[in-house]
Amino acid sequence: NAGVTQTPKFQVLKTGQSMTLQCAQDMNHEYMSWYRQDPGMGLRLIHYSVGAGITDQGEVPNGYNVSRSTTEDFPLRLLSAAPSQTSVYFCASSYSLLPRDAANYGYTFGSGTRLTVV
Amino acid sequence: AQKITQTQPGMFVQEKEAVTLDCTYDTSDQSYGLFWYKQPSSGEMIFLIYQGSYDEQNATEGRYSLNFQKARKSANLVISASQLGDSAMYFCAMREDQGIPNTPLVFGKGTRLSVIA
Repeated sequence: NAGVTQTPKFQVLKTGQSMTLQCAQDMNHEYMSWYRQDPGMGLRLIHYSVGAGITDQGEVPNGYNVSRSTTEDFPLRLLSAAPSQTSVYFCASSYSLLPRDAANYGYTFGSGTRLTVV
Repeated sequence: AQKITQTQPGMFVQEKEAVTLDCTYDTSDQSYGLFWYKQPSSGEMIFLIYQGSYDEQNATEGRYSLNFQKARKSANLVISASQLGDSAMYFCAMREDQGIPNTPLVFGKGTRLSVIA
């Protein structure tokens, strides 16, 4: 089925370890983004990309890196994991960047990655 | 300043009753879009309804409707005839169109709705 695929679904890291959360979409969406969800905080934007080769920072980018070498993939790298990065991470994509198109081309979310840093 | 404010951390509603979830937003743009998402206990994010700032009529999708009051900058979600399956976290979100097509979706902190039998 077409959609946004996130791997892994669960991960436990030790403080200081690095890892990459994978996100892939097969809908030819231009726009991709990473959010983290923490209790009582809603979803906060980490990084986003408006197309291959273009990325930008969101609200909480520190400690994370991204790259967009292809339209399909948008991996999120944790450089040196910290307990404060324990969270649920969502990848989302959309075709159209303009709000007025969103009713037809809204965001599609992955199923999330639950990360625990000990 | 918060762009999206959801003032109700938790709400209870009796089955078959209607419920309104509040959302206010802050933007200086004339063109923007407002979204509501549902997150059940399983964790996935489900798109419910969308309202564009230039839409003259309130959006409706089945039992969901959006009470859009532009002057008040509010976009409340109304769920009619609540069902037990409506128990979930609900997020209001906004995307501003600043003429540059690269503005991300900004979320509120959410409202947890519990439907009581």
